[in-house]
Amino acid sequence: DAGVIQSPRHEVTEMGQEVTLRCKPISGHNSLFWYRQTMMRGLELLIYFNNNVPIDDSGMPEDRFSAKMPNASFSTLKIQPSEPRDSAVYFCASSLEDPSYNEQFFGPGTRLTVL
Amino acid sequence: DQQVKQNSPSLSVQEGRISILNCDYTNSMFDYFLWYKKYPAEGPTFLISISSIKDKNEDGRFTVFLNKSAKHLSLHIVPSQPGDSAVYFCAASDMGHKLIFGTGTRLQVFP
Repeated sequence: DAGVIQSPRHEVTEMGQEVTLRCKPISGHNSLFWYRQTMMRGLELLIYFNNNVPIDDSGMPEDRFSAKMPNASFSTLKIQPSEPRDSAVYFCASSLEDPSYNEQFFGPGTRLTVL
Repeated sequence: DQQVKQNSPSLSVQEGRISILNCDYTNSMFDYFLWYKKYPAEGPTFLISISSIKDKNEDGRFTVFLNKSAKHLSLHIVPSQPGDSAVYFCAASDMGHKLIFGTGTRLQVFP
């Protein structure tokens, strides 16, 4: 059974460009999370969805970041315009029902480099 | 403001010995704690968890201890194996809401 799928695995772009990261959660999972990993702050939750509805987006850094979940099997995280400080590894994770007491399954991540 | 802190960015342990990874938290409302393990170029994977009503949870070579009064938890790995070399993240949750992760500790187990 496939785990969480993320694409692309690596993205190199120039400052000012739009970047779109994609995630396919595990089938049957109804909670989806976007995280950002940096050396200084570790794993930060950006936003999470429950049944395709955004529940908490307080971790989204600023208006340049947006996330959507049009259906149960697909989500996107968009950065527009991108800046060098957005360079990080972005992870998507999914879980069943209650987000904290059930294990979150992470995808392999997208390494974003903004030049 | 980091609510979950892992003050040791790295730890090096000899194979066969005990590895102890530490984690401190500031929010007394946290009631569930987890450890995740991450290999390079992979996403984190769940390792072990503990509820705030317990002070110890054991799973094979892995044991997590919780000291609520000190707001401290630790992960013990005995005996340590080279395959345990990875980054370990501590995470905490308050009453079923989102997980708050620490910055991670890189464990290296050498022969």
